[in-house]
Amino acid sequence: SQKIEQNSEALNIQEGKTATLTCNYTNYSPAYLQWYRQDPGRGPVFLLLIRENEKEKRKERLKVTFDTTLKQSLFHITASQPADSATYLCALLVGGATNKLIFGTGTLLAVQP
Amino acid sequence: GAVVSQHPSWVICKSGTSVKIECRSLDFQATTMFWYRQFPKQSLMLMATSNEGSKATYEQGVEKDKFLINHASLTLSTLTVTSAHPEDSSFYICSASWEGSDTEAFFGQGTRLTVV
Repeated sequence: SQKIEQNSEALNIQEGKTATLTCNYTNYSPAYLQWYRQDPGRGPVFLLLIRENEKEKRKERLKVTFDTTLKQSLFHITASQPADSATYLCALLVGGATNKLIFGTGTLLAVQP
Repeated sequence: GAVVSQHPSWVICKSGTSVKIECRSLDFQATTMFWYRQFPKQSLMLMATSNEGSKATYEQGVEKDKFLINHASLTLSTLTVTSAHPEDSSFYICSASWEGSDTEAFFGQGTRLTVV
């Protein structure tokens, strides 16, 4: 069956540390993978996109890696801040008649001051 | 970035009634809109994909007669939950994209539906 799993439901880290979130998928061949941030009661907000032929992408304090052999993406937030506390979702673009985004289970990140 | 507006942001309705949720793309023409449902502490589950001017494509297990989707214009899609029941209470979110877009998706702010 097709699945997109993120490493844990919740992750607690100290301010200033690097947060690392994992996204694993099975039985998909995505054109690309995206990471979103979702705050309580709000819609997801796009953070980063990485294509299947890219190994790594960076944006300010964010870094994403993509290993299509392992079928895994890692999402890093360096120098984490309490304001980074949110749920982070990975999503795969899967093709067909219409390309559609399928979301992972999500990881709730809590950055302690 | 592109703006997608969803209305209402929350609604409470009585069991057995119908509720309509609107999703508008404010500054671009959305050839495709997606409707998701999210239960507490769970991820977004894709319900259906709607293309302007054609019938929506529903995901497996989603009742098309219960969740009516209309995408009559390039800037508006509606989701009507018919004969709502308490188990339909959830957070409904839409997203929109335009033809040829293969990058980020733009999401509405979501609608919290509570059926009492």
